Amino acid sequence: AQSVTQLDSQVPVFEEAPVELRCNYSSSVSVYLFWYVQYPNQGLQLLLKYLSGSTLVKGINGFEAEFNKSQTSFHLRKPSVHISDTAEYFCAVSEWSQFYFGTGTSLTVIP
Amino acid sequence: NAGVTQTPKFRILKIGQSMTLQCTQDMNHNYMYWYRQDPGMGLKLIYYSVGAGITDKGEVPNGYNVSRSTTEDFPLRLELAAPSQTSVYFCASSLVSTGDYGYTFGSGTRLTVV
Repeated sequence: AQSVTQLDSQVPVFEEAPVELRCNYSSSVSVYLFWYVQYPNQGLQLLLKYLSGSTLVKGINGFEAEFNKSQTSFHLRKPSVHISDTAEYFCAVSEWSQFYFGTGTSLTVIP
Repeated sequence: NAGVTQTPKFRILKIGQSMTLQCTQDMNHNYMYWYRQDPGMGLKLIYYSVGAGITDKGEVPNGYNVSRSTTEDFPLRLELAAPSQTSVYFCASSLVSTGDYGYTFGSGTRLTVV
């Protein structure tokens, strides 16, 4: 079974600064990769996904992620964060129709 | 589209009581899932269903039951509620056959067992 590791449980960053949220997974055999965002007291929303093709994936709200097969990583980045980006971010891996979630990274944007 | 609808949004149960968390989706998705989310623990799969009449256990099924009589509905039943079942519960669905393996999540049910 897959394991998904989000290396940082909490990431504080100042407004308009860049941010990277890290995600590593255990196996690179035929996987699909996702980032979800959860705003306070809400469900999870799909931010972006990698199924195939270009390793750089662009999502909503200015986020992007890069798939690195050799390092089994799928790090999420944004060049300039906004207060409204404060949320919990989950990395997820789909392998053989099973979904595996990381434990989440809490992003706090400081004014 | 309504997407995935969960009811109720909040509930307080006493130890030993039972209840059903409702989940309905209107996207004709084959797969449906129930997760629980505990602080710092991410999401853990309770049960899932690949279609009407078919259900299977996930990582943490003990204390729960499910049924899938229709494509749209996937209720989660808690029998003999225990404090360890205090959590936020999320229902999700996906149309796996398209190759797009993303989930659509409901807004969650926050359950407290006292």
